[in-house]
Amino acid sequence: GNSVTQMEGPVTLSEEAFLTINCTYTATGYPSLFWYVQYPGEGLQLLLKATKADDKGSNKGFEATYRKETTSFHLEKGSVQVSDSAVYFCALVSTSYGKLTFGQGTILTVHP
Amino acid sequence: DGGITQSPKYLFRKEGQNVTLSCEQNLNHDAMYWYRQDPGQGLRLIYYSQIVNDFQKGDIAEGYSVSREKKESFPLTVTSAQKNPTAFYLCASSTRIAGVDNEQFFGPGTRLTVL
Repeated sequence: GNSVTQMEGPVTLSEEAFLTINCTYTATGYPSLFWYVQYPGEGLQLLLKATKADDKGSNKGFEATYRKETTSFHLEKGSVQVSDSAVYFCALVSTSYGKLTFGQGTILTVHP
Repeated sequence: DGGITQSPKYLFRKEGQNVTLSCEQNLNHDAMYWYRQDPGQGLRLIYYSQIVNDFQKGDIAEGYSVSREKKESFPLTVTSAQKNPTAFYLCASSTRIAGVDNEQFFGPGTRLTVL
């Protein structure tokens, strides 16, 4: 079956630091990959997505590249802000399965 | 503005009682979903519905029930058979359930606490 594995958290950074959150996956078919963000007490919002190998999704300074050879979709940001503090979820949908599979989430805290 | 609403935001229930969580969407989406979120475990799918009057069990359906009588509404009932119901519940919707471009839109969630 499908599965998504994210790096262990929580992650704590100072403002303007570089961020990487690792995500690897196992899937049947040719999945699309997503990063969702959840701010405290709220639902999830789509941050970015990539639908085929070598695609790069980007939004709000965050980027992730769909790497089929390493089955990875790592999230990066060059300079984080306090307002980026949230929980980040990696997820996939497979054409043969049709529903989202989520990773366990990574808590990010950014200090001034 | 189009979106998904969930009510109430906080809900308290005594053991042995059933409780129903509301989810409404005005995005004209066919597919709707219920997830449960527990600390450190990500989101787990409870039930999903592809179309009115049809729904399917997800990964953790035991102790839950749903209905889909209207396109806009997908209420979730947490029954007394659910052994550990305290959690954060998220409703979502998408244009359809299958396909590579299946972006799901989420509601703000309901936090259920069993006393």
